[in-house]
Amino acid sequence: DQQVKQNSPSLSVQEGRISILNCDYTNSMFDYFLWYKKYPAEGPTFLISISSIKDKNEDGRFTVFLNKSAKHLSLHIVPSQPGDSAVYFCAAEGAGNMLTFGGGTRLMVKP
Amino acid sequence: EPEVTQTPSHQVTQMGQEVILRCVPISNHLYFYWYRQILGQKVEFLVSFYNNEISEKSEIFDDQFSVERPDGSNFTLKIRSTKLEDSAMYFCASSRRTGGNNVLTFGAGSRLTVL
Repeated sequence: DQQVKQNSPSLSVQEGRISILNCDYTNSMFDYFLWYKKYPAEGPTFLISISSIKDKNEDGRFTVFLNKSAKHLSLHIVPSQPGDSAVYFCAAEGAGNMLTFGGGTRLMVKP
Repeated sequence: EPEVTQTPSHQVTQMGQEVILRCVPISNHLYFYWYRQILGQKVEFLVSFYNNEISEKSEIFDDQFSVERPDGSNFTLKIRSTKLEDSAMYFCASSRRTGGNNVLTFGAGSRLTVL
């Protein structure tokens, strides 16, 4: 039961360009959506979140967009930097405080 | 910056043995979690713990697993009679809020290898 899905396992972007990471979900009861970044040998690190009642949240170079009717969200990173190279996980929060994670997208930002 | 610490970073065990993974959550956090990630797969929820009892658990968290907060700081995951398929990265996490943008802080993980 894949309630949160990231269809692109990897993405390669040139430094300075925009990175767009996508996420789809099936459960309309999710209240919040979060993006986590993960470097090798480290745990996931919180990046940015959005409430289900909003359609956009911005924090510096990172912007998350939510399209509730399409059950789709995306993370935009602009401009992308080599240090952004990591695995990005989309996660959704529903009842009971647990997070349901997508499969992750490996972002590679080339200098 | 406060962090969640996990020990051991890597444990190798024989099939059928018991394993205890340890975590020290952030001190003012109230909710504690265990997640796991099998190599190449997604991060999966195992269990959440609040007020000294399990608040949620997934289908993965069967009788083979147990959690405990033996003192004021540690949060442990015990895996009894380990199987090959228990090999994974186990992440502990903690959070302060009970819901609504519940941001979890994760530890670096404990890699379990079952031979």
